[in-house]
Amino acid sequence: GAVVSQHPSRVICKSGTSVKIECRSLDFQATTMFWYRQFPKQSLMLMATSNEGSKATYEQGVEKDKFLINHASLTLSTLTVTSAHPEDSSFYICSARDWREAGGIQDTQYFGPGTRLTVL
Amino acid sequence: AQKVTQAQTEISVVEKEDVTLDCVYETRDTTYYLFWYKQPPSGELVFLIRRNSFDEQNEISGRYSWNFQKSTSSFNFTITASQVVDSAVYFCALSEAPFTGGGNKLTFGTGTQLKVEL
Repeated sequence: GAVVSQHPSRVICKSGTSVKIECRSLDFQATTMFWYRQFPKQSLMLMATSNEGSKATYEQGVEKDKFLINHASLTLSTLTVTSAHPEDSSFYICSARDWREAGGIQDTQYFGPGTRLTVL
Repeated sequence: AQKVTQAQTEISVVEKEDVTLDCVYETRDTTYYLFWYKQPPSGELVFLIRRNSFDEQNEISGRYSWNFQKSTSSFNFTITASQVVDSAVYFCALSEAPFTGGGNKLTFGTGTQLKVEL
């Protein structure tokens, strides 16, 4: 099946520092990746859609200067939380869109294992 | 606007019981996809199934089965003979079909916490 990796799995940083999270599709190419945020015992909140070779599309209320997204290749998207503060502490999950037309249209998002960010 | 409702916040069952997780959706699109994902305590979302809106056939995969009823806008998930390893949060999700401009954005329900006890 399609595999998506995410690194790091856990990060603790001081307030004011920047943190970069990588999302990789390991066995397929993903022109579109997504970044989500999940608070404890809540559902996933879409932050932005990352398209390879173009600017990310951010959801309403998400600060694009705060959460920098780069999708430089068909298998890698990065999310950088700039000048992190304690309120940015959360579980960040990426997904990669696996779209193909073999045997009918297959269009599924596969998720990475998530990154637990704690800002002190 | 799309919406997914999972009215059951938490369900507790004893091992070997059957359990059904409900999912009701709203969309104006005539073509769309429905999904179920499992999120165990480790946090990773595991893909379980994708169903196209034009395919109302029910599906069975081992102990898992799904009942898609377009007439009631429901896509329910049943686990037969539940096991402790089934304990997780289960999310139902909805997306527009490709080429509709929605870019495959997923709308998630709030999730159902399933606890299977011995």
